[in-house]
Formats: sequence, structure tokens, C-alpha cells
Amino acid sequence: NAGVTQTPKFQVLKTGQSMTLQCAQDMNHEYMSWYRQDPGMGLRLIHYSVGAGITDQGEVPNGYNVSRSTTEDFPLRLLSAAPSQTSVYFCASSYSTSGGRYEQYFGPGTRLTVT
Amino acid sequence: DQQVKQNSPSLSVQEGRISILNCDYTNSMFDYFLWYKKYPAEGPTFLISISSIKDKNEDGRFTVFLNKSAKHLSLHIVPSQPGDSAVYFCAASGKAAGNKLTFGGGTRVLVKP
Repeated sequence: NAGVTQTPKFQVLKTGQSMTLQCAQDMNHEYMSWYRQDPGMGLRLIHYSVGAGITDQGEVPNGYNVSRSTTEDFPLRLLSAAPSQTSVYFCASSYSTSGGRYEQYFGPGTRLTVT
Repeated sequence: DQQVKQNSPSLSVQEGRISILNCDYTNSMFDYFLWYKKYPAEGPTFLISISSIKDKNEDGRFTVFLNKSAKHLSLHIVPSQPGDSAVYFCAASGKAAGNKLTFGGGTRVLVKP
């Protein structure tokens, strides 16, 4: 299993450009999510999905769109990049444990710089 | 307002000694707590968890303690090893919140040989 994969690893954008961060998992996990990590802020949830065709907003959704057409893929779209979106982005997937909890598996991250 | 806080941004400890990482939370709806470990240029990896029905969970060198009345949890690493040098994130979730994880800001641990 490759686990959770993310592409690209690094990206530099100019303000106003759009792009899609790719995320894929091969563990057949129902739950997928996107986080951003900023210094001292930990990881903050952007969007998440509990299954194909179902998405919802997290803590910091503004400026980002997601869709989940398959179980495996969960792309994150930046509509019009802003310097405030400079961050490290992590995708995660998880399964439901016997206790109904989710233990998330993270991808290696995408480091995005917006100039 | 951060619902999960790790008030110590860094911790330095000698190899073989105990590392104690602390985490405080404010949301009474949280009932499941996790610790993640993160190396540079990698994603976080799950370390250990504890449900609110317990006050202690142990896995090898790692033990998590939960004090619900104080809304406080801690991670003990005994003995600390140089490979434990990483950033540790505390996270919390609750069934009432759809099991979404809320993370603390992280504590950077340096274990000196």
C-alpha cells in the first residue's frame, strides 16, 4: 500500500493564480480531510469528506473548494491564491475503529508559497 | 480561541530520562484524545490515544494520562531516545462534533544523547 499520497511536494504561486492539490489513498478509507499547518497553530481543518459525494467545511474553509467523486481521491482547489494561504497542506484519510472513532493517516504534505 | 492548547512550544531532555508533554482543552464535548508525532518534511503519524472513559493508556514507552476534571492530558515517554526528537501534537475529538480532530499547536522535543 502506498498509503496517502500528495502531489506536488512543493509549489510556488503568484497571487490570484488557481491550482489543485492532489490527494489519493489506497486504503479504502471512507473519511478524508485536508489540513493546513502554520507555525504555532497546529493543524487546522479546511474541509473533510465522510464518503464519496459528501463533503463539509472545517475550521478554515474560505478560499478553498473540494469534491469527492471517488473513495480514493480528494483534491483541494485554491480558487484565487493569496499570500495568507502560504502554508503546509496535509491530506489525511481514516477508517472508523470498532469504537466509532477515526484515527487519521496523513500524507507527506505539500509546501505552498504564494507571492 | 484555541480549544486545544500545548503551552510548551519546546522541551529538551537527556537520553534515558522521562519526557512529559502537556495538553489542555476547553471543550467539554471532547471525549477522545490522540497524540501524533511529526518529523520534518513528513506527515504526522499516530502515536497513542485515550478515550474519556479511561484515565491512562500505555503502549510501550508511551503513556497518556487524562484528567477530565482539569481538562488536561499528558504524554509520558520513558525512557526518551534520540529518535523521539520530533514535534508532538495533541488532538481531541468528540462524537457530537462528528469526530473532527482539533489540534494543539505542537511541542518540539529534543532528546540529547
